[in-house]
Amino acid sequence: GAVVSQHPSWVICKSGTSVKIECRSLDFQATTMFWYRQFPKQSLMLMATSNEGSKATYEQGVEKDKFLINHASLTLSTLTVTSAHPEDSSFYICSARGWEQGNEQFFGPGTRLTVL
Amino acid sequence: QKEVEQNSGPLSVPEGAIASLNCTYSDRGSQSFFWYRQYSGKSPELIMFIYSNGDKEDGRFTAQLNKASQYVSLLIRDSQPSDSATYLCAPRSGNTPLVFGKGTRLSVIA
Repeated sequence: GAVVSQHPSWVICKSGTSVKIECRSLDFQATTMFWYRQFPKQSLMLMATSNEGSKATYEQGVEKDKFLINHASLTLSTLTVTSAHPEDSSFYICSARGWEQGNEQFFGPGTRLTVL
Repeated sequence: QKEVEQNSGPLSVPEGAIASLNCTYSDRGSQSFFWYRQYSGKSPELIMFIYSNGDKEDGRFTAQLNKASQYVSLLIRDSQPSDSATYLCAPRSGNTPLVFGKGTRLSVIA
């Protein structure tokens, strides 16, 4: 149980375009979802926290207008990277937590974004 | 600001040896401590967590916690080449999201 999926697993896009990444909890209701970003040889950096039906809370230094997060249902959150640039190329990982799972965070497999 | 410090490594150990991974944290309010393993290009996977001072064993893994020293460690007994990965430490207070250290890269030499 407690499986989190992400789609797509990788994406290549041109500079200036927008990319949407989906995160789904497959067998539990995710009341809270987290989005992380990881650059090569760096650790996971928390970007934002979203609770179902509420606006996301962004970490310091993360532009909310550039990284749009929607958590409209208990099983789906989306991250849209707007007007992507090469410096946005990274590994984006979502994580989900639900009431029945206690405080444990379950991680998706990640999405590798490459912006040309 | 919460800080989590880990030696980036690489830590090299021979197959069958004990690997010792260390982590210090700055937030004295941290209540739970998580160890994740991350293979290259993959997302982290939970190894184990610990709440109380002392040792907690799970198979070949033992987590050790000393809250007074703000120190948590992970021991891997009988290390295998498949254990070669980056190990991430993540202390947490209450319901806050996991905040990770930079991780220690472990290399188990066959």
